[in-house]
Amino acid sequence: NAGVTQTPKFQVLKTGQSMTLQCAQDMNHEYMSWYRQDPGMGLRLIHYSVGAGITDQGEVPNGYNVSRSTTEDFPLRLLSAAPSQTSVYFCATRSNSPLHFGNGTRLTVT
Amino acid sequence: QKEVEQDPGPLSVPEGAIVSLNCTYSNSAFQYFMWYRQYSRKGPELLMYTYSSGNKEDGRFTAQVDKSSKYISLFIRDSQPSDSATYLCAMTPDADKLIFGTGTRLQVFP
Repeated sequence: NAGVTQTPKFQVLKTGQSMTLQCAQDMNHEYMSWYRQDPGMGLRLIHYSVGAGITDQGEVPNGYNVSRSTTEDFPLRLLSAAPSQTSVYFCATRSNSPLHFGNGTRLTVT
Repeated sequence: QKEVEQDPGPLSVPEGAIVSLNCTYSNSAFQYFMWYRQYSRKGPELLMYTYSSGNKEDGRFTAQVDKSSKYISLFIRDSQPSDSATYLCAMTPDADKLIFGTGTRLQVFP
């Protein structure tokens, strides 16, 4: 039972490059979400999903895309990375309890 | 003004001290209140979860919610060096979109 698995753990991108941050869970949770954590800003919600085929925007969705084709996976796509997207990204899931977080992906955009 | 305010610290206390961590908020619709602990380079992990006003105790940890003052607290008794971490408050009106404080960094020295 791995819980929430995020890959990669670290990534460096150049401005304009694209990439996908992966999130997989084995707890059969319907709700999945992506947060970014920046110094002095706390954790901010990017996108979330309440089940396969359903996604919605959070507080800071611009520059990010998501899709939810299976219960287990919720990838976050950066289509054209910008230095402002340098951050630590956390995937979080829940069923009837509060959020359960992965250990994050540290992304640097140069 | 942010919806949730939290003193960033750092807070440095000797082992065995009682620690008080606090958050204030402005949205009277918040009903669910949580405290997360985050160790360096790890994801947040849930410590305490309360619904509406009142107190909740779990071992050395006590969470208090005062909705009339829009103020929540986390108390740690007999603090240990292993409690050294960043503590995040979080709250939401509907269990889906958590709003986090920026976190308070706590250091407990032997």
